[in-house]
Amino acid sequence: NAGVTQTPKFQVLKTGQSMTLQCAQDMNHEYMSWYRQDPGMGLRLIHYSVGAGITDQGEVPNGYNVSRSTTEDFPLRLLSAAPSQTSVYFCASSPERGGYHEQYFGPGTRLTVT
Amino acid sequence: AQRVTQPEKLLSVFKGAPVELKCNYSYSGSPELFWYVQYSRQRLQLLLRHISRESIKGFTADLNKGETSFHLKKPFAQEEDSAMYYCALFIRTGNQFYFGTGTSLTVIP
Repeated sequence: NAGVTQTPKFQVLKTGQSMTLQCAQDMNHEYMSWYRQDPGMGLRLIHYSVGAGITDQGEVPNGYNVSRSTTEDFPLRLLSAAPSQTSVYFCASSPERGGYHEQYFGPGTRLTVT
Repeated sequence: AQRVTQPEKLLSVFKGAPVELKCNYSYSGSPELFWYVQYSRQRLQLLLRHISRESIKGFTADLNKGETSFHLKKPFAQEEDSAMYYCALFIRTGNQFYFGTGTSLTVIP
């Protein structure tokens, strides 16, 4: 199993550009999520999905869109990039084992918006 | 309001000394609590979860519902324990994970 994969690893955008961060998992996990990691602020949930066709907002959803057309993929779209979106983005997936969750993280995408 | 609080951003201990990383949570229901660790140049990974009551790499964490705490402890720190540690809370009703701001642990040789 590849686990959770993310592409690209690094990206530089200009303000106003749009792009999609890709996330895929091959573990048949229903729950997937996107976080941003900023110094001093830890990980903050952007969007999450509890299954194909179902998405919901986390703590910091503004400026981001998601969709979940398949169990495996959960792309994150930046509609019009802003410098405040410079961050490291992590995708994670989670099974529910015995009624409890744990998350498996991807390697991250480092995004810089200039 | 912050659901998970980790009061120490940075923590340094000497090798062989005990270490405690603090975590407090805000939730009145039954919490699902975890500690995640991120070693240098590695992805975030689960260290332990309260339901398992296990010891991983010598670390333990006890859920104290009265104090709403889930502190991570290790009696004798090792250099390889140097990493960023995150406490996390999963709230089932909202289907959301909440992470603390993290504690960067440095073990001094």
